[in-house]
Amino acid sequence: GQQVMQIPQYQHVQEGEDFTTYCNSSTTLSNIQWYKQRPGGHPVFLIQLVKSGEVKKQKRLTFQFGEAKKNSSLHITATQTTDVGTYFCAGVTDKLIFGTGTRLQVFP
Amino acid sequence: EPEVTQTPSHQVTQMGQEVILRCVPISNHLYFYWYRQILGQKVEFLVSFYNNEISEKSEIFDDQFSVERPDGSNFTLKIRSTKLEDSAMYFCASSGLTVDQPQHFGDGTRLSIL
Repeated sequence: GQQVMQIPQYQHVQEGEDFTTYCNSSTTLSNIQWYKQRPGGHPVFLIQLVKSGEVKKQKRLTFQFGEAKKNSSLHITATQTTDVGTYFCAGVTDKLIFGTGTRLQVFP
Repeated sequence: EPEVTQTPSHQVTQMGQEVILRCVPISNHLYFYWYRQILGQKVEFLVSFYNNEISEKSEIFDDQFSVERPDGSNFTLKIRSTKLEDSAMYFCASSGLTVDQPQHFGDGTRLSIL
């Protein structure tokens, strides 16, 4: 079946350092969504990418969708303690398939 | 801002018992979903529901699971004869007019099977 993998599984950074998580799908996606889940919370929608090669920015967050529409990345510049949580990509075909997630821990 | 609401927040049930998890999706949304998240793991798709019928379901969603929209507002997930491995957080979500629109999640129901 369709799989969406993310690396790394965990990332610990010092506050102010950059962070990147990578997402790879086994199949071509119609679009990709990113969600953030704080510890003990529920997934919260961040952004959706639709076009091949698309890049979108939200303040310190940069999202990219690969040319083949099978991979994506999220880059956070100068992390803050409020960035702590698990970041999931979710690939859309006929349903939403969540990636395995990257848990980010930020030390002050 | 409209929210997806789920009840109860925590359900403790004896193995073999039936459990019903309840959700009230955002009122003008057309697509409804259930997901499961075992502690520390990824969010797993269970089922999607549109136009009063199941549109997609995963291999996890076997015969012990069923969903229903009994009235115009509630969306329920029933698990018959619960097993220990059903212990997880269950999230309900809804999205607007098409299946690829962003999904809005409820706070979840933590299901503990004893």
